[in-house]
Amino acid sequence: EVQLVQSGAEVKKPGESLKISCKGSGYDFPSYWIAWVRQIPGKGLEWMGIIYPGDSDTRYSPSFQGQVTISADKSISTAYLQWSSLKASDTAMYYCARHRDYGDSRGYFDLWGRGTLVTVSS
Amino acid sequence: EIVLTQSPGTLSLSLGESATLSCRASQSVSSSYLAWYQQKPGQAPRLLIYGASTRATAIPGRFSGSGSGTDFTLTISRLQSEDFAVYYCQQYGTSPVTFGPGTKVDI
Repeated sequence: EVQLVQSGAEVKKPGESLKISCKGSGYDFPSYWIAWVRQIPGKGLEWMGIIYPGDSDTRYSPSFQGQVTISADKSISTAYLQWSSLKASDTAMYYCARHRDYGDSRGYFDLWGRGTLVTVSS
Repeated sequence: EIVLTQSPGTLSLSLGESATLSCRASQSVSSSYLAWYQQKPGQAPRLLIYGASTRATAIPGRFSGSGSGTDFTLTISRLQSEDFAVYYCQQYGTSPVTFGPGTKVDI
């Protein structure tokens, strides 16, 4: 089955670090870009950035550049999203999605993980 | 960046009716690179349409997309109970890709 499986929900305190994961299966994981998309509770979708697991080429949305780090390990078909110092405003659902690329970081998303809920609260 | 506006914000309809959802872009979307997604409560988004009018794999024929330039439409004919959800448009013609705020289709 073609799928993306994300790590479980996290509850963290402000200032803590966090790394969440997204494991692909059923397709050639290194050959497709993976995107991360944020959804604040009750709000819309925001594109954060993409990574090509084959060579770890990474692109960020200007809104998220410097705020998060996207990485991947193609040997275990897994992409990651990490924070070095969480803020309460990082509380959201984070989805990974397979990005069908049209160049220059443009593309649509044809396969989604179920999301990882990150809650940051003191 | 391209700003997408969706209307109406909420569409209240009955089973069997048709739904017409609008997505308007602040500037022309090149090559009609526009996608539509469905999101049900507690679920991830699901791709319905890409390239403005091409249905994604396993999407029923009652979903259709149209439009070009700055105006795009998603039409859902003969609404079924499983179609009540929030629908988002997304442009990928210009970087960064952007999403609309969504239209909720409810009973």
